[in-house]
Amino acid sequence: SQQGEEDPQALSIQEGENATMNCSYKTSINNLQWYRQNSGRGLVHLILIRSNEREKHSGRLRVTLDTSKKSSSLLITASRAADTASYFCATDAGRDDKIIFGKGTRLHILP
Amino acid sequence: DAGITQSPRHKVTETGTPVTLRCHQTENHRYMYWYRQDPGHGLRLIHYSYGVKDTDKGEVSDGYSVSRSKTEDFLLTLESATSSQTSVYFCAISDRTVANTGELFFGEGSRLTVL
Repeated sequence: SQQGEEDPQALSIQEGENATMNCSYKTSINNLQWYRQNSGRGLVHLILIRSNEREKHSGRLRVTLDTSKKSSSLLITASRAADTASYFCATDAGRDDKIIFGKGTRLHILP
Repeated sequence: DAGITQSPRHKVTETGTPVTLRCHQTENHRYMYWYRQDPGHGLRLIHYSYGVKDTDKGEVSDGYSVSRSKTEDFLLTLESATSSQTSVYFCAISDRTVANTGELFFGEGSRLTVL
C-alpha cells in the first residue's frame, strides 16, 4: 500500500485565497517532499522538509511536518490561476532508496 | 531542466507482446526510478536503480523487469503486456548524496496502451 495519503482529494478555491492540503504517512521517514504536476506533464519538485524540521518556507509555499502524527501540510498563499495542478507528497524513509508517493490532491483555482 | 528523456512517448500494443521503455539521462545521477501513474492511484514505484547493474523492486513490480547496464540508461520491460499495464510511465532521476537528500527530476512520461 502507498505510504502517503493526501487530503483532500480535490480542492477548488477562489484566486487569491490560501490553499491547504495535507499528507499522512505510515512509517518513519528521513524526509518528505512535495511535488506539483500540471496536466499530462512530469512532476516538478517544490520543497523538501527533513524529519528534524518542523516548518519550511519557499516563496508562497509553507510546509509543516509533524512526525509524532506522521503528517505534513502544504500551504499555498495568495493562490493564482497558475497554481491549478495536482500536488503530491513523497516520503523517503532513508532505510532504502525508495521514494513513495501518495495519490495526490487536485487543486483548481477559480478566477 | 534536468536532462532526462523517455522513449517512446506514446505506444499502443497488443496483449501478450513485449514492450521496452527507455529512460535516458545526461546528468550522471546515480539513482533512477520507474513509476506508473493511474487515476485514483497517484504514482506507484515499479523498480528503481541505485547504480549500474544495481536494481530493486518497488511497490508494483510484478510483470515488470528492469536493466541498467550503464549510468545513463534505465530500461523498463514488460515481458508480456497485459491490459492492466495500460498506464502512463514516468522515469525519474536523483542524485542522493550526503549533501543532497534526493530531489527527483522527472521525464515527460510514456503513455502505454495495451489492447
